[in-house]
Amino acid sequence: DTGVSQDPRHKITKRGQNVTFRCDPISEHNRLYWYRQTLGQGPEFLTYFQNEAQLEKSRLLSDRFSAERPKGSFSTLEIQRTEQGDSAMYLCASSLKEQGPLTGELFFGEGSRLTVL
Amino acid sequence: AQTVTQSQPEMSVQEAETVTLSCTYDTSESNYYLFWYKQPPSRQMILVIRQEAYKQQNATENRFSVNFQKAAKSFSLKISDSQLGDTAMYFCAFMDRVQGGKLIFGQGTELSVKP
Repeated sequence: DTGVSQDPRHKITKRGQNVTFRCDPISEHNRLYWYRQTLGQGPEFLTYFQNEAQLEKSRLLSDRFSAERPKGSFSTLEIQRTEQGDSAMYLCASSLKEQGPLTGELFFGEGSRLTVL
Repeated sequence: AQTVTQSQPEMSVQEAETVTLSCTYDTSESNYYLFWYKQPPSRQMILVIRQEAYKQQNATENRFSVNFQKAAKSFSLKISDSQLGDTAMYFCAFMDRVQGGKLIFGQGTELSVKP
């Protein structure tokens, strides 16, 4: 399968624990995005990378959240000292950005569902 | 900052009928895309249709078409001959072509197609 894959699909943790999610984008895509989606709401932008550079980070993202894409391929999203309000679906998407204005759509993974008890 | 608003939290339609989902947006940019994405229950989000703001012609993809009113900042999705497989959450989204690449989503409309 050559789509966007995310791991784990489900994570249950206790408040105060750290969790890490991984995203593997479509192989030729140079852009990678993280979104958070709570039940019944639209996805909210968290951050995105072009290759290994983190180009934008939402003000919604507290200091407990950190994302990396060290080799410009897969990415990880870590949440430290989880809180119940962090319970959500974390979506990853990728796209191809070539020279000039954007032309490509975003391709989404199935998401990683986090439940903080 | 751009915003996207979907004012219909839930809609239902009979199989084979036509339904229209509404979306309005706010931006000061002139070079952008608008999208409709579909998110079936417990499945990944997939693109339904895309509209480039500089194109006056409304986009169509098989049974899906849009009514893009740039001056009114309105972008509705029409689904013709609705099928049971169209049951899903539908999200309207905005992308600034020059500055960003991120999508700004609306709150979503949950569409149920009834047999």
